[in-house]
Amino acid sequence: ETGVTQTPRHLVMGMTNKKSLKCEQHLGHNAMYWYKQSAKKPLELMFVYNFKEQTENNSVPSRFSPECPNSSHLFLHLHTLQPEDSALYLCASSQEAGGNEQFFGPGTRLTVL
Amino acid sequence: AQSVTQPDIHITVSEGASLELRCNYSYGATPYLFWYVQSPGQGLQLLLKYFSGDTLVQGIKGFEAEFKRSQSSFNLRKPSVHWSDAAEYFCAVGMDSSYKLIFGSGTRLLVRP
Repeated sequence: ETGVTQTPRHLVMGMTNKKSLKCEQHLGHNAMYWYKQSAKKPLELMFVYNFKEQTENNSVPSRFSPECPNSSHLFLHLHTLQPEDSALYLCASSQEAGGNEQFFGPGTRLTVL
Repeated sequence: AQSVTQPDIHITVSEGASLELRCNYSYGATPYLFWYVQSPGQGLQLLLKYFSGDTLVQGIKGFEAEFKRSQSSFNLRKPSVHWSDAAEYFCAVGMDSSYKLIFGSGTRLLVRP
């Protein structure tokens, strides 16, 4: 595996379900990110982790819970979501801050019924 | 506050024609500038980046971009568009000592046969 991988690629869940999104990067990077991409809206940064420590939470509702057990893996735990949470969730990684380019995974297309 | 503006939501060009996608940014210092491309259902792929030095940067797939400080712009160009270039294009600005990339809202490129 190379680059940034995300599983699952598609997820349909009810509002009372609990599910998790997984991201793995094989680039040796130190920073990982979760973004939300909704139709007709700019990319929204949700969380940033650097060396496993959360450095940014962009006022994300608590029904989204990130976890970063090591620099290569990032999870997004989902519970009691709303239909407006349906979106493409993108994971990215970068070597460090200061403008280094971010490498993106293919995303998980989430639909909340 | 930092911001990125992509004034064109959609652009349609004929195959073989030249292309210019506009990007303007607002940032007090010299920014790090990026162009990403996103094909349907996929993550973002980096086309090119500007950090410093030569203001005309070359990227992958025959794209180039020019940084114009006086106009706060970083427009993307391609001399001859191919049908496979149809996608959504995002301009982004990064800052020193920050993990954030600020993304524009994107420009969707349609290519006429």
